[in-house]
Amino acid sequence: AQKITQTQPGMFVQEKEAVTLDCTYDTSDPSYGLFWYKQPSSGEMIFLIYQGSYDQQNATEGRYSLNFQKARKSANLVISASQLGDSAMYFCAMREENSYNDMRFGAGTRLTVKP
Amino acid sequence: AAGVIQSPRHLIKEKRETATLKCYPIPRHDTVYWYQQGPGQDPQFLISFYEKMQSDKGSIPDRFSAQQFSDYHSELNMSSLELGDSALYFCASSSPPVGHDPGNTIYFGEGSWLTVV
Repeated sequence: AQKITQTQPGMFVQEKEAVTLDCTYDTSDPSYGLFWYKQPSSGEMIFLIYQGSYDQQNATEGRYSLNFQKARKSANLVISASQLGDSAMYFCAMREENSYNDMRFGAGTRLTVKP
Repeated sequence: AAGVIQSPRHLIKEKRETATLKCYPIPRHDTVYWYQQGPGQDPQFLISFYEKMQSDKGSIPDRFSAQQFSDYHSELNMSSLELGDSALYFCASSSPPVGHDPGNTIYFGEGSWLTVV
């Protein structure tokens, strides 16, 4: 069964605006971590932000923030003040305590920032 | 800061040939992971090693094998290559976990592009 769901195959945003990329997950493990990675067209996988299941506050890293709604099992990525260089594929991923070494990825969302 | 180093970056092989990918994790990282990302797909977990021992196994074909050496570098060996093996292969590493804290971030290399013709 799909554990990570990203329902937006593609998103467009105007430069300097904010954009939210959706991610929902499914787990029965009480301890888990949620991650967002960026993959530009060159292929490398760049870590952006992490949210732990026990974290009380939403994670923030510069222009990236994670809107974590535990009861809804969602971990949406918010990118503020979009830049042209933000155009890339974005993957949401999860690691569960009971399958520590197996990080599962969603299908990804392709973000295009328009000038 | 040092990152995960993968080589070669690009590789072209013919069907039924063998390929070997190498990975050098971030210094002091003791866990190495291998992922396969097909065209237009999300990365799929293949196998992982912790302290040179295989720690977890995902969707790795029997034709593939991997190991982690005493210096923590890892190699993924792929034999009897098929056209469907054409993909971007990622190596990733993470530092020792704190208890069972799953927040231990996995850092990826730039990937090795394998094309099987």
